[in-house]
Amino acid sequence: DIQMTQSPSSLSASVGDRVTITCRASQSISRYLNWYQQKPGKAPKFLIYAASSLQSGVPSRFSGSGSGTDFTLTISSLQPEDFATYYCQQSYSTPPTFGQGTKVEIK
Amino acid sequence: EVQLLESGGGLVQPGGSLRLSCAASGFTFTSYAMSWVRQAPGKGLEWVSTISGSGDGTYYADSVKGRFTISRDNSKNTLYVQMNSLRAEDTAVYYCAKREDSSGWYPWDYWGQGTLVTVSS
Repeated sequence: DIQMTQSPSSLSASVGDRVTITCRASQSISRYLNWYQQKPGKAPKFLIYAASSLQSGVPSRFSGSGSGTDFTLTISSLQPEDFATYYCQQSYSTPPTFGQGTKVEIK
Repeated sequence: EVQLLESGGGLVQPGGSLRLSCAASGFTFTSYAMSWVRQAPGKGLEWVSTISGSGDGTYYADSVKGRFTISRDNSKNTLYVQMNSLRAEDTAVYYCAKREDSSGWYPWDYWGQGTLVTVSS
């Protein structure tokens, strides 16, 4: 199975900050990397696919990059509604696997 | 508008069984693979199972293989998972999710609200 490792596990940031979350795969997954946002008590929300393609309706302050084993999710200017947990997920091979999540908290 | 509505969760004793359902609407159900993804309390997301659009392909996580059976009724736009021999570690919120296959990148683009399964005596 491909292991996905996110860092950091949590971070504190202020509204307006630039935030970067890293996701590393245990082997190359090309660009088969997706990102999701989850707020407490809610279902995950799909943000980005193919490492860098924004899902329709997702604000442009979200961006993704990377290929192979190293990927990043960047929020260019953190907004109050962005405080949540973010998960990366590889869809390169079965079983699809998730990172452990990164919780973005208010500083 | 795509909607996925899970039902069937509840409290069950270890060794017991439960069947979850997911009613889908707002898209051509038979055209898309569907999955179950679970989340134990306070933990991360874990893929459980996927079924192809036609229903002839099924895939399972090792942790549930032999105990869970995924199925779908395309005439009713409904996804199911039959869960047998339940264990405490199966306690989780179970989400059904639609897989977006047309892009070729296979993300889950829509998720249900989840249904809680608690395995406890």
